[in-house]
Amino acid sequence: GAGVSQSPSNKVTEKGKDVELRCDPISGHTALYWYRQSLGQGLEFLIYFQGNSAPDKSGLPSDRFSAERTGGSVSTLTIQRTQQEDSAVYLCASSLASGQFYGYTFGSGTRLTVV
Amino acid sequence: AQTVTQSQPEMSVQEAETVTLSCTYDTSESNYYLFWYKQPPSRQMILVIRQEAYKQQNATENRFSVNFQKAAKSFSLKISDSQLGDTAMYFCAFMLTEGAQKLVFGQGTRLTINP
Repeated sequence: GAGVSQSPSNKVTEKGKDVELRCDPISGHTALYWYRQSLGQGLEFLIYFQGNSAPDKSGLPSDRFSAERTGGSVSTLTIQRTQQEDSAVYLCASSLASGQFYGYTFGSGTRLTVV
Repeated sequence: AQTVTQSQPEMSVQEAETVTLSCTYDTSESNYYLFWYKQPPSRQMILVIRQEAYKQQNATENRFSVNFQKAAKSFSLKISDSQLGDTAMYFCAFMLTEGAQKLVFGQGTRLTINP
């Protein structure tokens, strides 16, 4: 597609439920990133995928968070047993291969509200 | 670890005025990129301008320019002839040129352009 697509745009869930957030990167972009933006805050790195390499999971805040990237394209961020502090906007971005930096392209994010 | 600091949580100027947003960063590395991103209410992060640390010349993109002071670790954004459409959150970000290309963001500055 022309841009990075994220779904759903908004998600309201009950505390304790699991949620899945989807990111469809730009075709041909081998690098994919997930960031979290809490209310009034900057962006916090969560996880990074680059081609077939093992992902960099160093930013995941707890073992309730996990992410997959299937076939080097679509990625799913899963949050298990959601807590109220998980409420945030989750942004996905993609870029061409590392080594030559052209900049990230971001999606419009998923706003997650845990009630 | 790298950190980025934006000391102005909010700024407000009149249309057509010039405004400067401040950013400082901390790193022990010498090769890196610096960026300014704009985030309008649509939530999508839009790249405004980028600067490679090895380049002494300040980057310029139309009405947007930066003042990059490497020794001082300062990277301010100047918006000339400000327009109503410039109203947004602005984030300064840092990325090393080697290793995982993770962006490290500041906390953001909310800029309002008044008619």
